[in-house]
Amino acid sequence: DIQMTQSPSSLPASLGERVTISCRASQGISNNLNWYQQKPDGTIKPLIYYTSNLQSGVPSRFSGSGSGTDYSLTISSLEPEDFAMYYCQQDASFPRTFGGGTKLELK
Amino acid sequence: EVQLVESGGGLVQPGRSLKLSCAASGFTFSNYYMAWVRQAPKKGLEWVATISTSGSRTYYPDSVKGRFTISRDNAKSSLYLQMNSLKSEDTATYYCARDTMGITTAYYFDYWGQGVMVTVSS
Repeated sequence: DIQMTQSPSSLPASLGERVTISCRASQGISNNLNWYQQKPDGTIKPLIYYTSNLQSGVPSRFSGSGSGTDYSLTISSLEPEDFAMYYCQQDASFPRTFGGGTKLELK
Repeated sequence: EVQLVESGGGLVQPGRSLKLSCAASGFTFSNYYMAWVRQAPKKGLEWVATISTSGSRTYYPDSVKGRFTISRDNAKSSLYLQMNSLKSEDTATYYCARDTMGITTAYYFDYWGQGVMVTVSS
């Protein structure tokens, strides 16, 4: 199974700040990397698919990059609604696996 | 508007069975693969199962293979998860999700339900 390791697990940040969340796969996943946001009420939505493609309706302040085993999600300027949990997920092979999550918190 | 509404959760004893349902609307259900993803309390997300458009192909991780069965009824736009031999570690919120497998070459879960809680305890 491909293990996904996210860092940091917790990220205190301020409104307007630029932040980056990292995700490392235990083996190469050929850009098959997706990012999801989970709000405190449990609502989950996709943000980025296949490394860098913005899901329809997601603000352009979100972006993704990476290759091989290392990927990242960047939020260019934090808005109040961005404080949530973020998960990466690989779809290179079964079983499909998620990272442990990053909690983006208001500093 | 795509909507996925789960039901059937609750408290069940270890070793017993439970069947979850997911009612889909707002899209042509029969054209999409579908999936279940779960989240144990205070834990991360775990993919549980995926089913093809016709139901002929199913996929599971080892943690549930042989105990869980995903199925669908395209006439009713409904997805199901039959869970047998339940264990305490199956306690989680179960999410129904639309899966882009079979539609694109970039696979991901593009719509999610609100989730339904399953508690396995004596």
